[in-house]
Amino acid sequence: GQQLNQSPQSMFIQEGEDVSMNCTSSSIFNTWLWYKQDPGEGPVLLIALYKAGELTSNGRLTAQFGITRKDSFLNISASIPSDVGIYFCAGANTGNQFYFGTGTSLTVIP
Amino acid sequence: NAGVTQTPKFRVLKTGQSMTLLCAQDMNHEYMYWYRQDPGMGLRLIHYSVGEGTTAKGEVPDGYNVSRLKKQNFLLGLESAAPSQTSVYFCASSYNRHGYTFGSGTRLTVV
Repeated sequence: GQQLNQSPQSMFIQEGEDVSMNCTSSSIFNTWLWYKQDPGEGPVLLIALYKAGELTSNGRLTAQFGITRKDSFLNISASIPSDVGIYFCAGANTGNQFYFGTGTSLTVIP
Repeated sequence: NAGVTQTPKFRVLKTGQSMTLLCAQDMNHEYMYWYRQDPGMGLRLIHYSVGEGTTAKGEVPDGYNVSRLKKQNFLLGLESAAPSQTSVYFCASSYNRHGYTFGSGTRLTVV
């Protein structure tokens, strides 16, 4: 299957700090998605990106579709305790099958 | 509006036993998916369906079977459970490629 590499694997930050994470693929994708998973729950869609270079925001979250179409980035500004969770990227080229990254675990220290 | 509902939420099986995981969605979505989530591995696609009566293999289909007899339901079966199938299983559905709606997961332990 497709390999999606997410980095960093885990982050420990102080409340109020900004967060950056990224996802890279060995293949070109036409769609990038970012999900957040809370403990014991399924992933919830945060942001969807459909065009190379696209920059989309959802509140304090901003994601970008990389120009090469092989990467995507997620930024969280002014982190708060409820941002804690695992963040997954997912990409798809054609069809309906999305490939998921291995996740970035975020811990916010009050 | 319940979204995607998975049953059961937890299950412990002995090696060799069989079971069926049920996924139900009330959003009239065409596409449904079964994923497994293991530590450090992310989400891996087991099987998926693009419509009632259709199924297809994903990335890790061995040891699993699926059925989509009704549009709203997608069943995942384990005929002879193995310890390697200990995992958290997620069902998802989508209207198109614009993102999935996930269920809350089934935690399966095979001893």
